[in-house]
Amino acid sequence: AQSVTQLDSQVPVFEEAPVELRCNYSSSVSVYLFWYVQYPNQGLQLLLKYLSGSTLVKGINGFEAEFNKSQTSFHLRKPSVHISDTAEYFCAVIRNTGKLIFGQGTTLQVKP
Amino acid sequence: GAVVSQHPSWVICKSGTSVKIECRSLDFQATTMFWYRQFPKQSLMLMATSNEGSKATYEQGVEKDKFLINHASLTLSTLTVTSAHPEDSSFYICSALGLRNEQFFGPGTRLTVL
Repeated sequence: AQSVTQLDSQVPVFEEAPVELRCNYSSSVSVYLFWYVQYPNQGLQLLLKYLSGSTLVKGINGFEAEFNKSQTSFHLRKPSVHISDTAEYFCAVIRNTGKLIFGQGTTLQVKP
Repeated sequence: GAVVSQHPSWVICKSGTSVKIECRSLDFQATTMFWYRQFPKQSLMLMATSNEGSKATYEQGVEKDKFLINHASLTLSTLTVTSAHPEDSSFYICSALGLRNEQFFGPGTRLTVL
């Protein structure tokens, strides 16, 4: 069965500092991986996705993630965060049925 | 890009009443839509898969008679919370399945049952 684990429930960071949000997955088959961002009282917005090809994926708002098959990880990174990046971030993997399996979420708190 | 809307964005209702939430794919057709529920500070929980022209598939533990789903067209799915109670208060989010298995999410509907 496929599952997703986000290792940090909250990540506090100062503005303009780099950040990494960790995500590990378990799957015995090929995976499609996603990172979504959710601002308060809003739906989910796709940040980036890995379907195949290059393991380094660049997304919107300066975020990027690296697919690491040997470590079964898909960590999200940004070299310099802004106050506006404060939000909830979800890692997800997709089943062959098209259903998304979400991690528990990580709250990114950017402090001035 | 693919846009999905939800209506209403928020609703307050009395206990015992029914509430209908609409999910529309605005610029593409979606034979499959998903309904999620999200409690505060928690992740999204898949409630059901809505398929155009057929019955919805519910996840384990979700009462199909309480959460009625209708997917009558390729751009519209509705979720009706029947006989709502305070414990049904939650944030309901839909998504529409596009090409390459990518889901496009609606903005969510905040339901408060008094």
